Amino acid sequence: SAVISQKPSRDICQRGTSLTIQCQVDSQVTMMFWYRQQPGQSLTLIATANQGSEATYESGFVIDKFPISRPNLTFSTLTVSNMSPEDSSIYLCSVSTDYRANVLTFGAGSRLTVL
Amino acid sequence: ILNVEQSPQSLHVQEGDSTNFTCSFPSSNFYALHWYRWETAKSPEALFVMTLNGDEKKKGRISATLNTKEGYSYLYIKGSQPEDSATYLCAFSSGTYKYIFGTGTRLKVLA
Repeated sequence: SAVISQKPSRDICQRGTSLTIQCQVDSQVTMMFWYRQQPGQSLTLIATANQGSEATYESGFVIDKFPISRPNLTFSTLTVSNMSPEDSSIYLCSVSTDYRANVLTFGAGSRLTVL
Repeated sequence: ILNVEQSPQSLHVQEGDSTNFTCSFPSSNFYALHWYRWETAKSPEALFVMTLNGDEKKKGRISATLNTKEGYSYLYIKGSQPEDSATYLCAFSSGTYKYIFGTGTRLKVLA
C-alpha cells in the first residue's frame, strides 16, 4: 500500500489566520481525499482532489474556506482559511490504492488548535 | 441521512481480558464495511474489509463478524494487550469511494 507523508503533524494557530497542510504520496494516485475529525465527532470527508481539475467538495464544505491544490499525482495541499476555534480538528489526507476493496491509506494527520 | 454508530464510546479493560465492540450501519445499499485501528499520533490502519453477510475475518487476536441484514458488525479482541490500546473505527460504504465513519471506540488496555 502507499505511504503518505503529511505535515505539519500539529500546530497552534491564531484566529483569522490560514494554514496549509501538505500530503506527499510515494506513488501516483488518481484521487486524494481530505478528511476532518472534530473533537468527539466522526471522520468526515471534506473534499476529493483529482489532478488537473477542481476538487469536489462535500455538503457543508466550500472552496473559499478549504482551498485544495493538486498539482500532480503524488501531492496535494489543503488550506484552512480564516480559522476560528471551530476549525480545531485533526485533518487527514488519504488515498485508495486497492481499487477493488477501496481500502483507505491515511496520513498521520495534522492536529490543529485555533486560539 | 445515513448514520453509523459505534458503542461503547470508550472502554478500559485489564491486560488479558477479552472485549468486543459494535458498529451499527444502514442495512440498505450495503457494499462494504471497513474496520480501522487508529493509534495516537499514527495513521489509521485498515484491519478488515467485510462485504458478505455472515463474513468472519481474523487477524491474530482480533476478529470481526458482519450481519448486513440487521446492519451490525462486531469487533472482538481476545486476550487484550497494552499495544491494542487505540481507537477502533468502522466505516460504511454503499459502493462509492465515500465512506461514512462512526465516531469510534476508544480502547485502553491497562497493564
